[in-house]
Amino acid sequence: DIQMTQSPSSLSASVGDRVTITCRASQSISSYLNWYQQKPGKAPKLLIYAASSLQSGVPSRFSGSGSGTEFTLTISSLQPEDFATYYCQQSYSTPSYTFGQGTKLEIK
Amino acid sequence: QVQLVQSGAEVKKPGASVKVSCKASGYTFTSYGISWVRQAPGQGLEWMGWISAYNGNTNYAQKLQGRVTMTTDTSTSTAYMELRSLRFDDTAVYYCARDYYLGVRGRNWFDPWGQGTLVTVSS
Repeated sequence: DIQMTQSPSSLSASVGDRVTITCRASQSISSYLNWYQQKPGKAPKLLIYAASSLQSGVPSRFSGSGSGTEFTLTISSLQPEDFATYYCQQSYSTPSYTFGQGTKLEIK
Repeated sequence: QVQLVQSGAEVKKPGASVKVSCKASGYTFTSYGISWVRQAPGQGLEWMGWISAYNGNTNYAQKLQGRVTMTTDTSTSTAYMELRSLRFDDTAVYYCARDYYLGVRGRNWFDPWGQGTLVTVSS
């Protein structure tokens, strides 16, 4: 099974900060990596698919990069509504999937 | 708009079974699969399994093999997830999600998600 590891597990930042979250795969997954945002009490929401493609309607301050085993999600200028938990997901082994353990982004 | 609407919260005793439904609208149901994901209180996302709405093929997470069954009813565009022999640690919010597929193997992602169904296992 492919394991996904996110770092950090939690992160404190301020409005306007640039933030980067890293996701590492236990083997190469090419660019088959998706990112989701989840707010408390809500279902996850797709942000980025195929490592770097922005889902329709998602603000351009979100971006994704990487391939192989290392990937990043960057928020260029944090907004109050961005404080949430972020998950990466590999789709390389479809229809079997794995999520990272999540990164909780909190207000400093 | 594309939407998945799940059934309501359930409370079950240990050893019982639960069946959660997920009704799709706004797209051709048989064109995409459905994945089920659960989230225990305060924990991360755990993928449970996938079903093709086209032909009913399934793929279950190894840890749930033998306890979970996923089915679809194409006449009502509804997917179902049944979990048997419930344990206390099955207490979680259960989500269905459309497994969107771009036509290339691996180009899959989950969008949209249902609103979630809380299943509580309590004696």
